[in-house]
Amino acid sequence: GQNIDQPTEMTATEGAIVQINCTYQTSGFNGLFWYQQHAGEAPTFLSYNVLDGLEEKGRFSSFLSRSKGYSYLLLKELQMKDSASYLCAVRDVNTGGFKTIFGAGTRLFVKA
Amino acid sequence: DADVTQTPRNRITKTGKRIMLECSQTKGHDRMYWYRQDPGLGLRLIYYSFDVKDINKGEISDGYSVSRQAQAKFSLSLESAIPNQTALYFCATSDPKMAAQETQYFGPGTRLLVL
Repeated sequence: GQNIDQPTEMTATEGAIVQINCTYQTSGFNGLFWYQQHAGEAPTFLSYNVLDGLEEKGRFSSFLSRSKGYSYLLLKELQMKDSASYLCAVRDVNTGGFKTIFGAGTRLFVKA
Repeated sequence: DADVTQTPRNRITKTGKRIMLECSQTKGHDRMYWYRQDPGLGLRLIYYSFDVKDINKGEISDGYSVSRQAQAKFSLSLESAIPNQTALYFCATSDPKMAAQETQYFGPGTRLLVL
């Protein structure tokens, strides 16, 4: 089966660093995504990992360990606008095509 | 102008009514998807289409049907709406030729309330 786990909520302070963890179980792993979703808006792409290691993109970094079924999203120098839900999603090779399975999301609150 | 649009943005309907949600895209992508989002459950795939002649069921297709009228249009229908279909519905597109990662691009969402 397929399963993605991430914390429901996190709170952090403006200017700080926060790490959002994601663990997954899937039969045909073919990449992991992080999306950002502000309340009432569409998800938007943040990062993609398919090989083990760290991908850095400005204030955001994403890490993947395929052997552990584990990823994290690291947000540095937090800003109030980073308050949003962060969705971990795994692409799974499936007969007939690829499917992306989404976690329930982690709602991040950034406080002053 | 938005690349992926959805109409309507909000809809209230009654149990048993047939409704259609529409999605259009100007990105030129072949692949299109319909998801629903419920609190605490994340995005769940209803149907997806890899080209105009290809329609596939997702994990929660019961009670829904789709039509891919053209590369740019993908409609979702609820034949007889029921209250537990109250949710936020997203259309998305992707193009495997753009990059290996095949990012999905989401429309703004349709908020549906079934009374």
